[in-house]
Amino acid sequence: GQNIDQPTEMTATEGAIVQINCTYQTSGFNGLFWYQQHAGEAPTFLSYNVLDGLEEKGRFSSFLSRSKGYSYLLLKELQMKDSASYLCAVLDSNYQLIWGAGTKLIIKP
Amino acid sequence: IAGITQAPTSQILAAGRRMTLRCTQDMRHNAMYWYRQDLGLGLRLIHYSNTAGTTGKGEVPDGYSVSRANTDDFPLTLASAVPSQTSVYFCASSDSGTSNEQFFGPGTRLTVL
Repeated sequence: GQNIDQPTEMTATEGAIVQINCTYQTSGFNGLFWYQQHAGEAPTFLSYNVLDGLEEKGRFSSFLSRSKGYSYLLLKELQMKDSASYLCAVLDSNYQLIWGAGTKLIIKP
Repeated sequence: IAGITQAPTSQILAAGRRMTLRCTQDMRHNAMYWYRQDLGLGLRLIHYSNTAGTTGKGEVPDGYSVSRANTDDFPLTLASAVPSQTSVYFCASSDSGTSNEQFFGPGTRLTVL
């Protein structure tokens, strides 16, 4: 079966750095996405990785290792507004997105 | 409108009733999707459409039907609602069936009693 694993919840301090991990086992791989979802709102796109390595976009970076079936999202200089759920999703061989359950990130002052 | 709209925002429905959730996008995206999101679970794909006139079944299609008469609209129908269909429903679209970024509507919160 297809499986996306990510921690259920993480807590971090304002101004700090946090890394949210995602491991996957899917039938085929055509890219990995990270989305942010604030409570009661729709998911919004953060990043897309299809090749191994690090993609940096402002305070957010995303890393992919296809051989290990592993990705992480790195958030720097955390702000209170970063409190949200972070969803990892993999585009499988049928070009369907398989979603993890999401990691709820709590930022404390 | 800009992006994707969904209607209604929320709805309380008696079991056994028929209900259609509406979704409209103005980005001329080829592909559209319906997901449900339940606490502790990831987004689960109900149905999708890669282009107008075609639809396909996702992971959890039972009890739901869709149509795609044109590019912009992708309604989701519950023929006879059951309490297990209580969920938040998101419509999404992307530039093509093999694309990358999906854009999401604001969601419909449905409660079936």
